[in-house]
Amino acid sequence: QSALTQPASVSGSPGQSITISCTGTSSDVGGYNYVSWYQQHPGKAPKLMIYAVSNRPSGVSNRFSGSKSGNTASLTISGLQAEDEADYYCSSFTSTSTRVFGGGTKLTVL
Amino acid sequence: EVQLVESGGGLVQPGGSLRLSCAASGFTFSSNWMTWVRQAPGKGLEWVANIKEDGSQKYYVDSVKGRFTISRDNAKNSLYLQMNSLRAEDTAVYYCARDRPGLYSDYWGQGTLVTVSS
Repeated sequence: QSALTQPASVSGSPGQSITISCTGTSSDVGGYNYVSWYQQHPGKAPKLMIYAVSNRPSGVSNRFSGSKSGNTASLTISGLQAEDEADYYCSSFTSTSTRVFGGGTKLTVL
Repeated sequence: EVQLVESGGGLVQPGGSLRLSCAASGFTFSSNWMTWVRQAPGKGLEWVANIKEDGSQKYYVDSVKGRFTISRDNAKNSLYLQMNSLRAEDTAVYYCARDRPGLYSDYWGQGTLVTVSS
């Protein structure tokens, strides 16, 4: 049950695109299409942004997209906006029927 | 409107016990898996446990197995986390969340803080 690997931080200017990676193993990310992404602003509860690798819940901007290749999932945010500045976490179902989160990535909008 | 409200957090000594509750409303509680996730101060999210709609299946992260017990009362639309033999490293904000069939959590409570310290 090791945490998934995410970069500690990423940054971008308004209007640019950024991608956050999430690397696991064949026992979690690579083995199932059950990767989800969450946004968390300071002092707030996490908010679901992407589920089942690439699906957006209603109400989430289409600037957010997800994908997966092998053991690595990715979250891409296009047209960066100031309000996108937050922590982002990936999560995956695992072969032991548990779930695991990534260590989190702090997004800074320059 | 889906609402999840956690309660029961507080200060407890190492080795002590605490029971967290999560009151659910705005959806059919008995039709959803439910999850507990925690976040230590300044740290990332950690999945703790989840429970099937009827309580017949439960899963835990290794670090809490044998110490924490997840349960639910569908008649009261409530989720619980019984925490025993608490350690300093259990100090965290504990969130309850509703799970969906795609194995993700779509609604989260605001969390309750548990502090384990002497």
